[in-house]
Amino acid sequence: DAGVIQSPRHEVTEMGQEVTLRCKPISGHNSLFWYRQTMMRGLELLIYFNNNVPIDDSGMPEDRFSAKMPNASFSTLKIQPSEPRDSAVYFCASSPTGVNQETQYFGPGTRLLVL
Amino acid sequence: SQKIEQNSEALNIQEGKTATLTCNYTNYSPAYLQWYRQDPGRGPVFLLLIRENEKEKRKERLKVTFDTTLKQSLFHITASQPADSATYLCALGGSYIPTFGRGTSLIVHP
Repeated sequence: DAGVIQSPRHEVTEMGQEVTLRCKPISGHNSLFWYRQTMMRGLELLIYFNNNVPIDDSGMPEDRFSAKMPNASFSTLKIQPSEPRDSAVYFCASSPTGVNQETQYFGPGTRLLVL
Repeated sequence: SQKIEQNSEALNIQEGKTATLTCNYTNYSPAYLQWYRQDPGRGPVFLLLIRENEKEKRKERLKVTFDTTLKQSLFHITASQPADSATYLCALGGSYIPTFGRGTSLIVHP
């Protein structure tokens, strides 16, 4: 199993540009999560999907952030326009249903730097 | 508001000793608690889950305790090795969306 796949691994962009982060969850997992990690705030949940439907987006900082999950094997997190304070590591995680539904499997993250 | 506290200072220990990390929480009644390991430049990796009705759980050299009265979990690594050096995150959950602490860095010296 390839695990959760994220791309790109690193992204450097200038303030005002659009940034799109991509995630492929583990096959068969029904839940997908987007997190942001910074030194100051730790790991913060941005949005959570279950069966491709957004369930909780209360962690999305503002309207500049949007997330989609068009099918069970792909999700995107978009920031438009990006700002320097968006610089962080963004993680995607997925979890199965059933016995181990509480366990989250994280991708390697996308390190975003907004200049 | 809910608060999860993990020691922000790194824990330095000698190889072979037992490492003990602490996770305290307030304003929370979690149904379960998890511990994850995170290495630099990588995503967190799940280690152990303990439920509110369990006092202790073990996996190889790892042991977790969960005291819902004290609102505290202890995470032990026995016979620690330099390869155990990493940041360890605790996560509390009432549904299947855990809330993470900020982690404690463990450094095991040879």
